[in-house]
Amino acid sequence: KNEVEQSPQNLTAQEGEFITINCSYSVGISALHWLQQHPGGGIVSLFMLSSGKKKHGRLIATINIQEKHSSLHITASHPRDSAVYICAVGGGATNKLIFGTGTLLAVQP
Amino acid sequence: NAGVTQTPKFRILKIGQSMTLQCAQDMNHNYMYWYRQDPGMGLKLIYYSVGAGITDKGEVPNGYNVSRSTTEDFPLRLELAAPSQTSVYFCASTDSTNTEAFFGQGTRLTVV
Repeated sequence: KNEVEQSPQNLTAQEGEFITINCSYSVGISALHWLQQHPGGGIVSLFMLSSGKKKHGRLIATINIQEKHSSLHITASHPRDSAVYICAVGGGATNKLIFGTGTLLAVQP
Repeated sequence: NAGVTQTPKFRILKIGQSMTLQCAQDMNHNYMYWYRQDPGMGLKLIYYSVGAGITDKGEVPNGYNVSRSTTEDFPLRLELAAPSQTSVYFCASTDSTNTEAFFGQGTRLTVV
């Protein structure tokens, strides 16, 4: 079983829909990252969470430390949101990042 | 601009050849990582470093070596390239508090 599980693996939405991507982890962490990777592109950091909730534009990320679960929400989705969204957790003595396998999001106009 | 610089962007190697992927960051981050990403798969940790002079193996270290002689640089060495090493490689760095993760642009490596 992977230490970081994401769902769904693939998601197709219509423009304007509200989108939720989930991440569950089984290890103790000090931080959880949500990352975005466009096709053929690099990886950019969207959020780092250690507790609670963060909002940036149309993106909202929440984390429940007790339940070891985080969600990434996209409101009023747009085709330019189409990308792979990756959850990564960090912590422990080495602070190394452990990645989920990603969620491929396609937003259709 | 501050960030992670990774070179080259593309490379084709013949089986048995060797090469070094370069990674440098200018943010004085202690933690640096090398990952590979295979098609349809998540990022797998190859090697990581928690500071200059300290390196350790990740999930998939076989066929690779690293060194960390300075805080800034974390090169990844491929010895005797094999087709199984065809992948996209990413270098990343974080500070000690894991506030934000920075990634290089990636290296698309093909071994033929």
